[in-house]
Amino acid sequence: GAVVSQHPSWVICKSGTSVKIECRSLDFQATTMFWYRQFPKQSLMLMATSNEGSKATYEQGVEKDKFLINHASLTLSTLTVTSAHPEDSSFYICSARDTGPPNQPQHFGDGTRLSIL
Amino acid sequence: QKEVEQDPGPLSVPEGAIVSLNCTYSNSAFQYFMWYRQYSRKGPELLMYTYSSGNKEDGRFTAQVDKSSKYISLFIRDSQPSDSATYLCAMTRPSGNTPLVFGKGTRLSVIA
Repeated sequence: GAVVSQHPSWVICKSGTSVKIECRSLDFQATTMFWYRQFPKQSLMLMATSNEGSKATYEQGVEKDKFLINHASLTLSTLTVTSAHPEDSSFYICSARDTGPPNQPQHFGDGTRLSIL
Repeated sequence: QKEVEQDPGPLSVPEGAIVSLNCTYSNSAFQYFMWYRQYSRKGPELLMYTYSSGNKEDGRFTAQVDKSSKYISLFIRDSQPSDSATYLCAMTRPSGNTPLVFGKGTRLSVIA
């Protein structure tokens, strides 16, 4: 089945550090990937839609200068949390859909737990 | 009214029970319906994927979609402790790469 790999799985860093999270589709191409944020015991909150070769589309209330998204190839999207602060601590998850065949479901990475001290 | 409503639970059942999870939605444009299972500190795992109305069965899992009532269900037969997780319903329109709309998720505990 379709596999989405996310790296790293856990990051602990000091306040003010920038952190990059990678999302890769391992066995399919994805022109679009999605980035979510999830707080404990809550559902996934869509942050942005990452489009290969163009700018990401951010949801209302998500700072695009804070959460930089780059989708440079059909198998890789990155989310960079710039100058991270404790309030940015959360579980970040990406998803991707095989855009070859029609009507394919989205598959999720295993998430990245970000802890800012 | 939220686009997708899902009772967050928690739901606790004995091992071997039949579990019924459900979601209601308001947007009649939704055509694709999914159920994901999420273990603690893991990403959601796709369980069932259905298009439009009808039933789909996969092992112990059965997904039902009733578009006329805007109601979807997931049934788990012979539930096991390993089924303990949060179950998220999700749905989307058929047009292009539109994001999923999720329910809040139902936390399920299957007690041995």
